[in-house]
Amino acid sequence: EVQLVQSGAEVKKPGESLKISCKGFGYSFTSCWIAWVRQMPGKGLEWMGIIYPGDSDTRYSPSFQGQVTISADKSISTAYLQWSSLRASDTAMYYCARHLGDGFDYWGQGTLVTVSS
Amino acid sequence: QPVLTQSSSASASLGSSVKLTCTLSSGHSSYIIAWHQQQPGKAPRYLMKLEGNGSYNKGSGVPDRFSGSSSGADRYLTISDLQSEDEADYYCETWDSNPWVFGGGTKLTVL
Repeated sequence: EVQLVQSGAEVKKPGESLKISCKGFGYSFTSCWIAWVRQMPGKGLEWMGIIYPGDSDTRYSPSFQGQVTISADKSISTAYLQWSSLRASDTAMYYCARHLGDGFDYWGQGTLVTVSS
Repeated sequence: QPVLTQSSSASASLGSSVKLTCTLSSGHSSYIIAWHQQQPGKAPRYLMKLEGNGSYNKGSGVPDRFSGSSSGADRYLTISDLQSEDEADYYCETWDSNPWVFGGGTKLTVL
């Protein structure tokens, strides 16, 4: 069974760094794109960026380029989303999702990030 | 890059049918899209891939009540025999080599 399992909720202060994770199960992790999607409170889905773990090809939405870093460790089937300096406006639910060519066909359960002083 | 336009809200009665629309921007009318459902407080769920010719492939476990169709730049999601659990936000998605794009979502209310 294909599953994407994300790390747990985080509460951080502005200026702190953070790295959240998404571990894939039940499929060839290196053969599918993994994307990160932001959902701010009460708002819609926003594509942030995507990585192909097989060769680490990474692409970012212009809205998020330079604001976050996406990476993957294929040896442990895990993708990451990280911030070097969080802002209050980064408070949101973050989802990872798999893309095999037919749309985002599997989603993680979400990681809630709260940034507050 | 493609842009996807969705109505912000829709409503229909329990047991009836509803047709949601996702419209591709000019120059992108041949693009494949995907439909996703997000029930309140839950992660999105993949419903189907939908091509410009109206052919669609549903995700695992998606009920037969859900179907797709296309006309020009419009992509449709039809839900028949509406159930209370169909009350949710519905998003369309499309992709190019870069970027991937979501529509703004349609909030479906089941009356």
